[in-house]
Amino acid sequence: DTAVSQTPKYLVTQMGNDKSIKCEQNLGHDTMYWYKQDSKKFLKIMFSYNNKELIINETVPNRFSPKSPDKAHLNLHINSLELGDSAVYFCASSHLQGNSPLHFGNGTRLTVT
Amino acid sequence: AQKITQTQPGMFVQEKEAVTLDCTYDTSDQSYGLFWYKQPSSGEMIFLIYQGSYDEQNATEGRYSLNFQKARKSANLVISASQLGDSAMYFCAMREGTGGGNKLTFGTGTQLKVEL
Repeated sequence: DTAVSQTPKYLVTQMGNDKSIKCEQNLGHDTMYWYKQDSKKFLKIMFSYNNKELIINETVPNRFSPKSPDKAHLNLHINSLELGDSAVYFCASSHLQGNSPLHFGNGTRLTVT
Repeated sequence: AQKITQTQPGMFVQEKEAVTLDCTYDTSDQSYGLFWYKQPSSGEMIFLIYQGSYDEQNATEGRYSLNFQKARKSANLVISASQLGDSAMYFCAMREGTGGGNKLTFGTGTQLKVEL
């Protein structure tokens, strides 16, 4: 299946821990993103990479570090997790040109206790 | 100012009826794009339809059409012949400018419920 796949689907962890979310796309896109959806369903961009280069870096705590080993993969590592990090994290991909829709993964629900 | 405003937090529609979900936007860019996404209760984000600022025709995709009124800065989604499976959260989003990738700014969403 052609898709954006992210793992894990659910992540429950304690405050202070470090965790990673992995994302892969096989759509042949050159640009990948991380979005955060909060408890009120509001979606906000965190990062974007184009061909492994960081092109969008919103105001995100530096505990969040994206890594793109190649243009088909974009991982998100989070250090020292806090309660406020609880959210659904979506990976997405697209072509760089402006009319290319973003294709989203199914999301990772992160719960920090 | 909000870049994307969706003023209807919740909407109800009867099956087989048409429904319009409102979206207004704010930008000073000449080149921009407007997107609609559907998020069912299962959580995935599904792309529905796209309208570019220079597109002269309103976009249509099956039962979805976009009522684009540039002067009013509105990009309403029209769903015709509603089905039970259309019950979901709907998000309007905008991309501004032509460079820097597809950074989308999302609205707060409209929860649509289709009733028998």
